Amino acid sequence: QQQVKQSPQSLIVQKGGIPIINCAYENTAFDYFPWYQQFPGKGPALLIAIRPDVSEKKEGRFTISFNKSAKQFSLHIMDSQPGDSATYFCAAILGYNFNKFYFGSGTKLNVKP
Amino acid sequence: GAGVSQSPRYKVAKRGQDVALRCDPISGHVSLFWYQQALGQGPEFLTYFQNEAQLDKSGLPSDRFFAERPEGSVSTLKIQRTQQEDSAVYLCASSSRIGGNQPQHFGDGTRLSIL
Repeated sequence: QQQVKQSPQSLIVQKGGIPIINCAYENTAFDYFPWYQQFPGKGPALLIAIRPDVSEKKEGRFTISFNKSAKQFSLHIMDSQPGDSATYFCAAILGYNFNKFYFGSGTKLNVKP
Repeated sequence: GAGVSQSPRYKVAKRGQDVALRCDPISGHVSLFWYQQALGQGPEFLTYFQNEAQLDKSGLPSDRFFAERPEGSVSTLKIQRTQQEDSAVYLCASSSRIGGNQPQHFGDGTRLSIL
């Protein structure tokens, strides 16, 4: 059973558009939610992360929105560029076992010029 | 080097052979993680080391999988009697602090193909 459910599986947007990637979880013991970007043949790289006591966090063109009551969080990429084309993974970490990441299944983003 | 280094980048083995995958974490990083990433899926946690101590191996799929970090730096993931379902990318990550809610720096992985 997947602990973190991610959608959509793939996403195509035009340059300048705002792709939105969604994740949902059930376990309320999760207390740290990072997002990773992965290019083909490379390892994931941390983009941005949020804790559940915050509803929104921005870093550059990347924004996480967090809805604790709905147990959902999402990544928004403002003014998307072709160089943003990659696979994006959300993840969650348990507060009592903070060594173990649970990753979503990934969203492959294609930003067209 | 500046980042996490994994070797080999690609490994092809016949079913039943043993393989060993190496991870060189960033110098001085205390925490080291191994993940398995199947094609088109997110990474799945295998095991975690704090220095030389293996504190969590709950993600290892079977007793054919074994990981070590004897001196608290380089780590090796060994898979014995490989099976086709072991084909995946194996990722290593390290962190300067204890615990997962710190930035993890990933290597580029070893792509393992079992024939």
